[in-house]
Order: sequence, then C-alpha cells, then structure tokens
Amino acid sequence: GQQVMQIPQYQHVQEGEDFTTYCNSSTTLSNIQWYKQRPGGHPVFLIQLVKSGEVKKQKRLTFQFGEAKKNSSLHITATQTTDVGTYFCAVDGGTSYGKLTFGQGTILTVHP
Amino acid sequence: KAGVTQTPRYLIKTRGQQVTLSCSPISGHRSVSWYQQTPGQGLQFLFEYFSETQRNKGNFPGRFSGRQFSNSRSEMNVSTLELGDSALYLCASSSSAGVSGYTFGSGTRLTVV
Repeated sequence: GQQVMQIPQYQHVQEGEDFTTYCNSSTTLSNIQWYKQRPGGHPVFLIQLVKSGEVKKQKRLTFQFGEAKKNSSLHITATQTTDVGTYFCAVDGGTSYGKLTFGQGTILTVHP
Repeated sequence: KAGVTQTPRYLIKTRGQQVTLSCSPISGHRSVSWYQQTPGQGLQFLFEYFSETQRNKGNFPGRFSGRQFSNSRSEMNVSTLELGDSALYLCASSSSAGVSGYTFGSGTRLTVV
C-alpha cells in the first residue's frame, strides 16, 4: 500500500516565523490530503491535492503537490499561536475504500 | 449541520473486558471509517463500512470488529481488552470516497487498566 514519510517530527517557531512540513513517498501518490489536529482534538480536513504540480492556498497556508506526485508540502506564512497543533498528510486509498494512510505528523509549537 | 458524533467520550475498562463504541456520521454520509490513534503508532486504519457492508479492513486482530446499521450509524467492538488497546478511537465519515476529505468525530478515549 501507499506509505508516506513526514518531516520534521517537531517544529518550534517564534510567532511570526514561517513553517513548512514535508510529506514524501517512494511511489506515485494518487492524491494527498492534509489535516490539522489541535492538542486534545481530532483531525480536521484542510485540503486535498490530486494534480501534478498543484498549488492551493488558504489564507496563510500554501499546499503543494510535487510534479512527480511523490511529495507534498504545507507552508504556513507568519505563524500565529492559533496554528499550534499536529499537521498530518494522508493518502486516500481510492478503491481501498475509506482508508487514509497517514504520515507521522509534524507537531508545531508557536512561541509568542 | 451536525458533525460526526462519537459516544462515549471517555471510557475506562479492565483487561479482559469488552467495549462497544458508537459513531453517528454526518447526515447523508454513508461511509464510516474507524481509526486508532496512539502516540507510538500514530493514526491507523481499522475498517470502513458503507451501506452496512464492511468494504475494507486494516491490519488489526479479530478482537476488533464493527458493524453499521441501516441509518449509517456504526459501532466498533473490542473484545478481550489488552493494555495496548488504550488509545483514542476516531471515526470519520465521508460523502463519496472521501473526495471532499473525511470529517472526524471527537473520538473516544479508551483506557485499559
């Protein structure tokens, strides 16, 4: 099955600094989804990317899908304390119904 | 519209007991998936149900089972609980093969003592 490696595992930033987390696979991915989980919370869907080279933006968040569809990134510009949480990439199994394969997640801490 | 509802939120059980967790998906969503989240293993897929049929199953022992009812509500059962089953159990619903992402419930925190 499709597997994804996510780095870094932890990231500490000062408020206002930028943050990036990366998701990599050795195989071509059919799609990539990104989720955010606040401390004590549950994963919340952010976005899905399916096209090679796709770039999508949500306010300060920029999501990219690599040209070879083997990697993806989430970039946050000028972090805020509300950005604290764990960011996961995940691959939807398609015909492997309902199965999301998650990366290990990046835990983001923002210091005010 | 109401989100995904999981009950109970917290549960403490003793080794060897069994437990049943419940999940009510978003109205109109027919797919319900279950995940186990632990600090060591992360988020792992348990199984998925659609129209009362299990379509997919993860790599968990047979002690983990589930079912889905005609109203799309789902339950998962864990028998003969082990200490290692302590985890956050999350269910997620989607409208159509997850093309708009999956909506997760708040989870059930199970502690086995």
